[in-house]
Parts: sequence; C-alpha cells; structure tokens
Amino acid sequence: AQTVTQSQPEMSVQEAETVTLSCTYDTSESNYYLFWYKQPPSRQMILVIRQEAYKQQNATENRFSVNFQKAAKSFSLKISDSQLGDTAMYFCAFMKVMNYGGSQGNLIFGKGTKLSVKP
Amino acid sequence: EPEVTQTPSHQVTQMGQEVILRCVPISNHLYFYWYRQILGQKVEFLVSFYNNEISEKSEIFDDQFSVERPDGSNFTLKIRSTKLEDSAMYFCASSVKGAITEAFFGQGTRLTVV
Repeated sequence: AQTVTQSQPEMSVQEAETVTLSCTYDTSESNYYLFWYKQPPSRQMILVIRQEAYKQQNATENRFSVNFQKAAKSFSLKISDSQLGDTAMYFCAFMKVMNYGGSQGNLIFGKGTKLSVKP
Repeated sequence: EPEVTQTPSHQVTQMGQEVILRCVPISNHLYFYWYRQILGQKVEFLVSFYNNEISEKSEIFDDQFSVERPDGSNFTLKIRSTKLEDSAMYFCASSVKGAITEAFFGQGTRLTVV
C-alpha cells in the first residue's frame, strides 16, 4: 500500500521569502504521479503542480517548483517570493498509473502542511 | 473558468437519516470522484466513477454509500443511514480522462451528523 507523509504540520514564512514544504512517500510502484494541492480557507482544493515519476526533470510552475528525488522517495515543494495569497493548507498526493497507462484517480493524500505567509 | 459545483455547502442531519450530497462536474469531464476529509485529518478517497459505473472504491465506501449520475449532469453521493463518524467535508472532483490529467475539486460539502 502507498503512503504519503508530510512531516511539517505547520510552517510560516515572511512575505517575499522562499519556503520549502517536505513530502515523502512509500510505494513499490515504478510508474506514478505526484501532486501538490493547495487548499485555501475557501476549502476548494487547487492543483499547484504535478510530477510524473518517469520524468527526471523537476516540474516548475511560475513561483512553484519541486525537488523530486525518486530514489529517496521525496517530493518537496518550493515556493519562491511567497505571497499572502499562498496562505493555505498544502497537500502532497500520490497516484499510481495502471498497467494500461491510465489511472482510476485514487489520489492518496498526506495530512497536509498549514502554511502561513506573514506580511 | 469551468468549475465543479457542490450543494449544499453545509448540511446538518440526524443520525440514522439518509443524506444526498450533490455535485455538478465540469461538463466535458468523464471521470468523477468523491473524497472526504474528517476535521483535522487527511483527505481520503471514497470512490471513482466512469461510464456509469464505479471503477474503484476504498474500504470506507461500504454498503451505506452509493453514487449515481441520475441525469447526465449531476453526480450524487448518498449515505443511507448516517453515523456520527460520517461527519466530514465531502469533496467531489472530476477529470477529463483517468486522472493523469488534472482533477478539479469542488468547494466541498460540510456534513454534520448530530
């Protein structure tokens, strides 16, 4: 069974600074996807960034980037130039890829990290 | 921008009552999901639905739960006889294909069982 661990329940960062959120996972699968979702106080979860396990290059989306270490099963999220609107719960999630190349959508989430960006 | 819409935003129900949570997925999406998040805990997968049938379900999704796409637009989660431990935030999500692509989540329905 797959598990996702986020070891930092809460973090804070000053506006404009950089913060890194940690995520580790455990799986015997070789092909899978990893995600970071953001859940602001409005409660709707929003996809921040996605990484495909077979790609060695780390995914980047504007101020958000990941450090994907497949051998170490680590998938950290770096937020550069933090903004007040980045304040939210951040969830790391895992999804395996089925043999036919598709997926059933069973996202396995970590417990989340509550990020507060302070002015 | 298209979005997944859930109603109601908050529902209070008495233990033992049936409750139906409603979701309108994004119109061209083919895969639908329900997740739940008990307060203070992680988001847990309940069920995925494709081509009018359940494609995968978790251990949480027992006989008390059912899903339906009654009219081609709504996607519902029914809890037949609610228990106190069913109190949680329930999220609906949808995706164009098997969720290799982005799964879009609704804003959630907070279910409180009293």
